[in-house]
Amino acid sequence: QVQLVQSGAEVKKPGASVKVSCKASGYSLTGYYIHWVRQAPGQGLEWMGWINPNSGDTNFAQKFQGRVTMTRDTSISTAYMELSRLTFDDTAVYYCARDYCSGGTCHQCDYWGQGTLVTVSS
Amino acid sequence: QSALTQPASVSGSPGQSITISCTGSTSDVGGYNFVSWYQQHPDKAPKLIIYDVSRRPSGVSNRFSGSKSGNTASLTISGLQGEDGADYYCTSYTSSTTIVFGGGTKLTVL
Repeated sequence: QVQLVQSGAEVKKPGASVKVSCKASGYSLTGYYIHWVRQAPGQGLEWMGWINPNSGDTNFAQKFQGRVTMTRDTSISTAYMELSRLTFDDTAVYYCARDYCSGGTCHQCDYWGQGTLVTVSS
Repeated sequence: QSALTQPASVSGSPGQSITISCTGSTSDVGGYNFVSWYQQHPDKAPKLIIYDVSRRPSGVSNRFSGSKSGNTASLTISGLQGEDGADYYCTSYTSSTTIVFGGGTKLTVL
C-alpha cells in the first residue's frame, strides 16, 4: 500500500535551517508529484510547493521563494524539503503529500505523510 | 494569494445534513475545477474526501458530496455521524500556478 513516512521532530534555533525527509513506499516516487504543506499550532493548512520527483522541477508559493528547497533522491525513494533562515513563525507540522495524478500535477493530494513537527526555539 | 473563505464553524445533529461553503475568486475556485476538500481529525494528517469539485476517492462515504457555483464551492455532508466531527479544508488551484487553502471549518456534531 502507498505510504509516505516522514523524518522525526526537530528543534532548531532562529536563523538555522531544517531538512525534512519523506520516504515513499508502495509506488514509484518518480511517478507522482510531491507537495509540501505546513500547519502552525492551532492554525490552518498552508501550501508550500511541489517537486516533480522525475525531473526535479519545483514550484513554490511566493511566500517561501528564496527560503525553501525541495529535492529528491530517487535511489532511496525519498523527497526532501529544506527551509532556511528559520523564525519562530516557522514552528509548525510539515506534511508531504502525493499528488493524485500520475505523471503530472492535478493540484490535489491523495496520500499524506504523518507530519513532522519543527519547533523553532531559542 | 489570499486564503479561500470558509465559515469558522458549523454544527449539526446526528442524521442531519450540513453544508460548508468555500468562497474564492475567478482566479481560483471560479476559474478551475481543481477544487478539493480535506477532513482532518485532531493530531492527524488531512484526508482527501472530495477532488475535482465533486468526485469522491475510493472508500469515501457517499454521504460526502461537493459542488461549485461561480466562485463558491460547497461540501455537503448528509446523515451526520459523530465521526464526522473534524476540521474541513477546501483548496483550489490558482492562476498563479499555486494552490491555496481555505481557513478551515470546525464541524461539531451535537
